[in-house]
Amino acid sequence: TQLLEQSPQFLSIQEGENLTVYCNSSSVFSSLQWYRQEPGEGPVLLVTVVTGGEVKKLKRLTFQFGDARKDSSLHITAAQPGDTGLYLCAGANDYKLSFGAGTTVTVRA
Amino acid sequence: NAGVTQTPKFQVLKTGQSMTLQCAQDMNHEYMSWYRQDPGMGLRLIHYSVGAGITDQGEVPNGYNVSRSTTEDFPLRLLSAAPSQTSVYFCASSRAGTSGKTYEQYFGPGTRLTVT
Repeated sequence: TQLLEQSPQFLSIQEGENLTVYCNSSSVFSSLQWYRQEPGEGPVLLVTVVTGGEVKKLKRLTFQFGDARKDSSLHITAAQPGDTGLYLCAGANDYKLSFGAGTTVTVRA
Repeated sequence: NAGVTQTPKFQVLKTGQSMTLQCAQDMNHEYMSWYRQDPGMGLRLIHYSVGAGITDQGEVPNGYNVSRSTTEDFPLRLLSAAPSQTSVYFCASSRAGTSGKTYEQYFGPGTRLTVT
């Protein structure tokens, strides 16, 4: 059983559309991290959110941490083919991370 | 800086064989971890280390051993390979972030292991 549930599992959209990926848990985390992974490579950190209710923006990507520090969302505005990849959320308590199963995002040109 | 390096990149083993996956980091990070990644299951923690000489089990430790004699190196040993250990293995290093509670992971490129 995954400690973190991500939805949807797969997402295929046209270039220019918006998308949202959700990461939910019944556990409270000291921080929540989002990673992107491309085929054949290791995951790369996109952002870390620490405070409940926190919103962080990274160009066209907006990350939000829930008020209770149990859930998070990733919103991409005007998606581009370069946004294609596997998006993973991870909850941290001390130095141990628990990962969600990931959302595979495909942006069609 | 090379970051986190892993060798080999690909490996095929027969059932019952043993091998060691190598991992090294040059960022002087205290924490190192081994994960396996299987389709639809995300990354699952196998073993981790909080410093040289200190290791502990993660979520799926059976069939694997680790040791950490130096800060830089954290090898993962498969004792007697089984087809269920076919997976992609990632090594990662981290340290406490500026807030002291984030521990962002820096991943290596992975080792793709097939056990026949």
